[in-house]
Amino acid sequence: YVLTQPPSVSVAPGKTARITCGGNNIGTKNVHWYQQKPGQAPVVVICFDTDRPSGIPERFSGSNSGNTATLTISRVEAGDEADYYCQVWNSGIDHGWVFGGGTKLTVL
Amino acid sequence: EVQLVESGGLVVQPGGSLRLSCAASGFTFDDYAMHWVRQAPGKGLEWVSLISWDGGSTHYADSVKGRFTISRDNSKDSLYLQMNSLRPEDSALYYCAKDMGITGDGHFDYWGQGTLVTVSS
Repeated sequence: YVLTQPPSVSVAPGKTARITCGGNNIGTKNVHWYQQKPGQAPVVVICFDTDRPSGIPERFSGSNSGNTATLTISRVEAGDEADYYCQVWNSGIDHGWVFGGGTKLTVL
Repeated sequence: EVQLVESGGLVVQPGGSLRLSCAASGFTFDDYAMHWVRQAPGKGLEWVSLISWDGGSTHYADSVKGRFTISRDNSKDSLYLQMNSLRPEDSALYYCAKDMGITGDGHFDYWGQGTLVTVSS
């Protein structure tokens, strides 16, 4: 199972960033999103498509339908600049976890 | 406070072996599945392996199947990864990560800071 993310997304401060994650019928799976800043371990920012863990700002939201899941970051701040990864559990024959290739978010 | 501290990363020759460890604290270790995830320098995240809460179920990425073995000692709150027949492409920062559930199909809610493995002659 393959997850496809754009390598990079750029956005001006205060605007909205949308990072997509494409996969075959991904809408039938639970999608999780991780933020990774340079030199740091990943942190989950969205779980189960739309849930925001404790401590994650309301500016972060998620959606998932059809063949595309989307992480949306509203009112982008400089501190949001990071790599973002989507993740799903592949319950097929070769079951296991799959990460997307990652998207570098640049705040202009 | 949940803490995951990896150790055991070294420089090793191709074909060699290495055992990574992850010491867990701040939560009831045997209530959760655990994972190893790796990240090659400048590259993305790659899931490596998972083990269920009781060690009864394990899964591996195809890239490591037959060469790596995940295990846990719940009496020591510790997770391990035995790595054999190492290849240069196994060079990466290896993270230990806690699953939010017992079987390993939840998301990863806590991560360690990683231990670096370099496979080179």
